[in-house]
Amino acid sequence: GNSVTQMEGPVTLSEEAFLTINCTYTATGYPSLFWYVQYPGEGLQLLLKATKADDKGSNKGFEATYRKETTSFHLEKGSVQVSDSAVYFCALRNTGGFKTIFGAGTRLFVKA
Amino acid sequence: DAGVTQSPTHLIKTRGQQVTLRCSPKSGHDTVSWYQQALGQGPQFIFQYYEEEERQRGNFPDRFSGHQFPNYSSELNVNALLLGDSALYLCASSPGGPFEQYFGPGTRLTVT
Repeated sequence: GNSVTQMEGPVTLSEEAFLTINCTYTATGYPSLFWYVQYPGEGLQLLLKATKADDKGSNKGFEATYRKETTSFHLEKGSVQVSDSAVYFCALRNTGGFKTIFGAGTRLFVKA
Repeated sequence: DAGVTQSPTHLIKTRGQQVTLRCSPKSGHDTVSWYQQALGQGPQFIFQYYEEEERQRGNFPDRFSGHQFPNYSSELNVNALLLGDSALYLCASSPGGPFEQYFGPGTRLTVT
């Protein structure tokens, strides 16, 4: 079945450090891929998405590239801020599908 | 424009009781999905409603049921509550079809 695996957290970084959160997926067909962010006490917000191979999603300095050959969608940011502290979820949805499948989440702490 | 709203924010119930959670979708959205997010986990798909019908269901028992009203708002009902039903319940809306979902802040259910 379809699944998403992302690196375990927590990830602790200093402000202005480079961030990578790894995500790999298993899916039939050609799913759309997403990164969601969840701030403390809040629901999920869509951070970025990519709908086909080699697409790069980007938003607020975050980027992720849809790599079909390695079934990966790693999240990166060149310089993190304290305000980026949150839980990040990698997710997929199959073409024509109605449900989104999430990874377990990776908690990020950024220290000033 | 209000986003997705959910009520109540928090709820405490006793084992064996029944609970109803409510969701109002974002303006212009006609599709509502419900997810269960256990502590430290990613959201798990419960079901999706479209045109007042359950369109797809995840791997949840029949104790979980729902309803969608003509104004597209939705309810999630859980009967015979178990301790394991304690979780954050998220509602997500989308404008029909496999489009990106917008999440509400969630209802935190605690079963004692």
